[in-house]
Amino acid sequence: QVQLQESGPGLVKPSQTLSLTCTVSGDSISGSGYFWNWIRQHPGKGLEWIGYIYSSGSTYSSTSYNPSLKSRVSISVDTSNRQFSLKLSTVTVADTAVYFCAAGGTGGFDPWGQGTLVTVSS
Amino acid sequence: SYELTQPPSVSVSPGQTARITCSGDALPKRYAYWYQQKPGQAPVLLIYQATERPSWIPERFSGSSSGTTVTLTISGVQAEDEADYFCQSADNSGTFVFGSGTKVTVL
Repeated sequence: QVQLQESGPGLVKPSQTLSLTCTVSGDSISGSGYFWNWIRQHPGKGLEWIGYIYSSGSTYSSTSYNPSLKSRVSISVDTSNRQFSLKLSTVTVADTAVYFCAAGGTGGFDPWGQGTLVTVSS
Repeated sequence: SYELTQPPSVSVSPGQTARITCSGDALPKRYAYWYQQKPGQAPVLLIYQATERPSWIPERFSGSSSGTTVTLTISGVQAEDEADYFCQSADNSGTFVFGSGTKVTVL
């Protein structure tokens, strides 16, 4: 059974880069058929898909990003450590949110990590 | 940008049926999904591909689709079903989109 766990700083200063990592257990991150996603939820608001990475081997991966964030987002994968990571550059207070990682495919986003709150503040 | 429209809130008495709609122009061509989220928790997948239910989800949750609208039905609502419910699909370019969410209150 796949499980995911987010980790990273809970506080980021404005204009800096937000960096989070999701550790996957219970399955291989490469070749499992899953798309590995980042999704965020602003306080008291709805859900926003950030992007995904798909890995089919140690050297091949593909990404897709939400056009509204594409210029600031990068998602990468570390297959040896079963981790995928999110970088969001030039953050503002509007990027304060709970960030979730989630496995995805034609069966929907399932499972999800527990989420981690990132606050952008000086 | 593409939007999925949900009612902000639905109220229902225990044992009754709650229906939550989600409307979007691309829904006839794209799969739809439903998630339940309780306070302080991550969302949980309830329905995938509009009508399919994972084996671990109670049978009282069901999904249906008609044209540009998909519907989540909760039959025999229980107090534990009080939560936020989100639909999710994709636009024509493949960007994943969520509805704004519906808060279900059990009276």
